[in-house]
Amino acid sequence: RKEVEQDPGPFNVPEGATVAFNCTYSNSASQSFFWYRQDCRKEPKLLMSVYSSGNEDGRFTAQLNRASQYISLLIRDSKLSDSATYLCVVNTGRRALTFGSGTRLQVQP
Amino acid sequence: GAVVSQHPSWVICKSGTSVKIECRSLDFQATTMFWYRQFPKQSLMLMATSNEGSKATYEQGVEKDKFLINHASLTLSTLTVTSAHPEDSSFYICSARGMVGDTQYFGPGTRLTVL
Repeated sequence: RKEVEQDPGPFNVPEGATVAFNCTYSNSASQSFFWYRQDCRKEPKLLMSVYSSGNEDGRFTAQLNRASQYISLLIRDSKLSDSATYLCVVNTGRRALTFGSGTRLQVQP
Repeated sequence: GAVVSQHPSWVICKSGTSVKIECRSLDFQATTMFWYRQFPKQSLMLMATSNEGSKATYEQGVEKDKFLINHASLTLSTLTVTSAHPEDSSFYICSARGMVGDTQYFGPGTRLTVL
């Protein structure tokens, strides 16, 4: 079983749609959680950290459920520029990050 | 914000040659740098963790004699792919973590193509 699992997609949504991505992780000792965004042939860029209380940054909302070992990302009012691959990332305490394989989002006009 | 650079951004080489990739933290000191590899349509996979002044820690399945890592200063780590083969063609990305906190800053990556 992979340490971090994501639905690879692609998710094809129209502009303005709301889309949600889910992620599960296997190591219950995981300590910190993130969503990164990766554009084609570029390095990943931190989108937001994920906290147990849930957190929001503009159109983006992230949730963490430690009991279910589940992380989610909600994007509201999708823009064309949101098209990218979204990586669920977990810090398992080894101080290195473990990346999911990513969920590809394509926002269409 | 913290900036990490990588050089070169892309390289094409012949099979059997060695390629060195540099990772630099430009405006902060990085006690730890990480080297990742990403094949097309796959996740980033950690190759090794590099601490300044000590030997790198390699992940299972990564050959330390093939992927030589040197972290000689707090701002520079190098990855040398020795005797590169076509299967080593990949996107190599480094990240650096500063002295405070857990945030990692990624370099722009190096695309290696071995013919």
